[in-house]
Amino acid sequence: LAKTTQPISMDSYEGQEVNITCSHNNIATNDYITWYQQFPSQGPRFIIQGYKTKVTNEVASLFIPADRKSSTLSLPRVSLSDTAVYYCLVGDRGGFKTIFGAGTRLFVKA
Amino acid sequence: NAGVMQNPRHLVRRRGQEARLRCSPMKGHSHVYWYRQLPEEGLKFMVYLQKENIIDESGMPKERFSAEFPKEGPSILRIQQVVRGDSAAYFCASSKTEGPYEQYFGPGTRLTVT
Repeated sequence: LAKTTQPISMDSYEGQEVNITCSHNNIATNDYITWYQQFPSQGPRFIIQGYKTKVTNEVASLFIPADRKSSTLSLPRVSLSDTAVYYCLVGDRGGFKTIFGAGTRLFVKA
Repeated sequence: NAGVMQNPRHLVRRRGQEARLRCSPMKGHSHVYWYRQLPEEGLKFMVYLQKENIIDESGMPKERFSAEFPKEGPSILRIQQVVRGDSAAYFCASSKTEGPYEQYFGPGTRLTVT
């Protein structure tokens, strides 16, 4: 399972775009990149998943360069309610173990 | 469609007692995963089950911990003879298909060992 590295914390202001980058240098050919969000005292919630290039849904965008050794989660126009911990995971879609690192604590200020 | 249900939400046990944590997966999901989260840390995989089968328990401590997912009823994570170090949040997740993606998590059970 590929190890991921993310910033420990980030601060932002309401209305700004936030980009959280995750490094996964030893990503394997079959691995997908998945991001989860976790609020205090709650279970993680799936945000987005991708394999290469760009993926966008109603919540976020995920940018993956050609070498796939990193990925960037982009949250457009964050609000106070986006304050949470964001986890980047890398794994084989056919696998079953999910390694959650420490994640990135995003704090959105008014 | 109800999400993943876990109960109890909070559980207090004295050292040496047994703790039983229950997880009902989302309707139509046959894959269940258990994770443990210590304060200020990420989730750590414990065990992956399908109905009546333990697929992988490599994250489970060798002693005192066991899990099952019977044909009928919820998945159970059982901790015997609890110690203070077992105090943590235990999350259950389920998925429709196997994989690390799109796992749906329950609200967790917070176990406190006194």
